[in-house]
Amino acid sequence: DARVTQTPRHKVTEMGQEVTMRCQPILGHNTVFWYRQTMMQGLELLAYFRNRAPLDDSGMPKDRFSAEMPDATLATLKIQPSEPRDSAVYFCASGPLYTQYFGPGTRLTVL
Amino acid sequence: GQQLNQSPQSMFIQEGEDVSMNCTSSSIFNTWLWYKQDPGEGPVLLIALYKAGELTSNGRLTAQFGITRKDSFLNISASIPSDVGIYFCAGSTSGTYKYIFGTGTRLKVLA
Repeated sequence: DARVTQTPRHKVTEMGQEVTMRCQPILGHNTVFWYRQTMMQGLELLAYFRNRAPLDDSGMPKDRFSAEMPDATLATLKIQPSEPRDSAVYFCASGPLYTQYFGPGTRLTVL
Repeated sequence: GQQLNQSPQSMFIQEGEDVSMNCTSSSIFNTWLWYKQDPGEGPVLLIALYKAGELTSNGRLTAQFGITRKDSFLNISASIPSDVGIYFCAGSTSGTYKYIFGTGTRLKVLA
C-alpha cells in the first residue's frame, strides 16, 4: 500500500531557527504539492511541482519559504527564519494527473 | 486564500442515519475530490469525480458532480461511528493541477 511519507512528524523550534520538512512522494507520481493547514485558514496550497519543476509557489511567503525537489523521491519545504505565525500542520501530497494523496503531515510549533 | 463553501459546517447524526453534505463554488470546476480527515492524520481521498453529472460510489459513500459544474454532493448511507471526522471537498479548474479546498464538514455520529 503505497503512501506519501513525511518527516519529521512533529517539530518544535524557536523563532528565527531554520526548519526543513521532507516528503517522499508515492513512486510514479509526478505531481507534488505542499499545503499548510490551520484552524483559521483551513488547507492552503503553498506550492506544487510537476515532473520536479516548480509550477506555482504563489501561496508561499517568498522571503522566508522555499520549496525544492532535488530528485523524484524527495521534496523539501524550508522556512528560514521561522516565526510563531508559521505554526501549523504542513502536508505534502502527490498524485498522477488529477488526484492527490496526502501524507500524514508535519506539525510545526514555533515558539 | 479562496475557498469553497461547504454545508453544513457540522452535524450530529444518529448511527444508522444517512448523511448529505454539499460543496458550492462561484467557479466552474473540471474535477471534484472528496476527502475525509481524522484527527492527527492527513486527508484521505474518498472519491474523485471528473465529469459533470457523474455519480460515483465507494462503499456506503456516493458523490455526485453537479450538472452546473459549480457544486458537488456527498452522501453517506447508514452511518457508523467510524464515519466521524471532517469531510473536505476540493475542486480544480481546467488546465491546472491546483485544487481549492472547502471549509470542511465536521461529522459526529451518536451511537
